[in-house]
Amino acid sequence: EPEVTQTPSHQVTQMGQEVILRCVPISNHLYFYWYRQILGQKVEFLVSFYNNEISEKSEIFDDQFSVERPDGSNFTLKIRSTKLEDSAMYFCASSGGTGGNQPQHFGDGTRLSIL
Amino acid sequence: GENVEQHPSTLSVQEGDSAVIKCTYSDSASNYFPWYKQELGKRPQLIIDIRSNVGEKKDQRIAVTLNKTAKHFSLHITETQPEDSAVYFCAASKGGNYQLIWGAGTKLIIKP
Repeated sequence: EPEVTQTPSHQVTQMGQEVILRCVPISNHLYFYWYRQILGQKVEFLVSFYNNEISEKSEIFDDQFSVERPDGSNFTLKIRSTKLEDSAMYFCASSGGTGGNQPQHFGDGTRLSIL
Repeated sequence: GENVEQHPSTLSVQEGDSAVIKCTYSDSASNYFPWYKQELGKRPQLIIDIRSNVGEKKDQRIAVTLNKTAKHFSLHITETQPEDSAVYFCAASKGGNYQLIWGAGTKLIIKP
């Protein structure tokens, strides 16, 4: 069964640095998402992406964050000037084509630790 | 915006018994309700979902019910087994590949 893959599995970064989290969505999916989960808390939506543009974003997704689909397979989340509170598990997800509700499939996540 | 409440936060049941987890949502425009199971350190995995034009859906030992009038939906697991131990999250969405709004999660413990 096809899966969403994320790299790296764990990223340790100094506060103030920039990080790029990478995701390869399921190949025939059209919608891509980033969520985050702070340890012990609920999953929070960050952003969704379709047709090479952001389709939805949450209040969390401010100017510090950006997303990009640099080629036909990768989907990246960039976090600039990282803060301690950015430490969390970041999940990428993808879902299929148009026409009704399509289940979102998640990757294994990247654990981001800001020191 | 949408808000999803989930109860209980922890549920401990004897192996073989049933478990029920309940969620309420606030936005009547929500029409898609998935349930995810998350084992420690792993990805959330979709276990069942329901759309607003359906009142109940069943898949082997797992069932979900939806009451649109009351804006609540529930997950039912029958004949629980040790491998059912995990954190379960409900979510709500306006559909059409919109964002998922998540509940806080229920830690299900299956006692042998």
